Amino acid sequence: GIQVEQSPPDLILQEGANSTLRCNFSDSVNNLQWFHQNPWGQLINLFYIPSGTKQNGRLSATTVATERYSLLYISSSQTTDSGVYFCAVEEGSTSYGKLTFGQGTILTVHP
Amino acid sequence: KAGVTQTPRYLIKTRGQQVTLSCSPISGHRSVSWYQQTPGQGLQFLFEYFSETQRNKGNFPGRFSGRQFSNSRSEMNVSTLELGDSALYLCASSLRQGDGYTFGSGTRLTVV
Repeated sequence: GIQVEQSPPDLILQEGANSTLRCNFSDSVNNLQWFHQNPWGQLINLFYIPSGTKQNGRLSATTVATERYSLLYISSSQTTDSGVYFCAVEEGSTSYGKLTFGQGTILTVHP
Repeated sequence: KAGVTQTPRYLIKTRGQQVTLSCSPISGHRSVSWYQQTPGQGLQFLFEYFSETQRNKGNFPGRFSGRQFSNSRSEMNVSTLELGDSALYLCASSLRQGDGYTFGSGTRLTVV
C-alpha cells in the first residue's frame, strides 16, 4: 500500500516563529488532507489539498502531486498551535473511505 | 450544521466483554469510515460503509465488525475484548469520494 512519511517528527518553537511541515507519499493520490489533532483527540481538518496551494489565515499548504509531496506552513505560531499535525492521503478510486496517515509531527510552541 | 457525533466519549470494559460504538455522520453524508488510533500503531483504517454496504476493510481480525443503518448512522462492534484493543476510535464521514473527510471527537476505549 501507499507509504506516507512526515517530517520532522518533533518541532519545538518559540511563539511568533514560522515553521514548515513536510509530507511525502509514495504513489499518486485522489485526496490529501492535513489535520491538527487537539488535546482531546479530535482531528480538525485544516486543508483538503490534493494539488495546488491554499491559505487560511496563518496557515497555508502546497501539494505538488507530480513530485508526491505536500507542505504545511505555519506563520507567527501561537501556543494554541501546539499539538500533532497529520497528513493523510487517499489512494485510487477503489480506496473507499481509506485514508492512510503519516506518523505525525508533534509541534510544541513555547510562550 | 452539526458535525460528526460519536458516542460514548469514554468507555471502560473488561477483557472478554464486547463493546458497541456509535457514529452519526454529518447530515447528507453517506460514507462513514472507522479508524483506530494507538500510540504504537498510529491511525489505522478499520472499515468503510456507504449506503449500508461495507465497501472497504482494513487489516483487523474478525472481532472487529460494523454496520450502517438506512439513516447513515454507523456502529462498530468489538467482541472478546483484549487489552490491546485499548485505543481511541475515530469515525469520519464524507459526502462523496474525493470530497475530504470530517472526523468526530472519538471514543476512548480502555480495556482492563
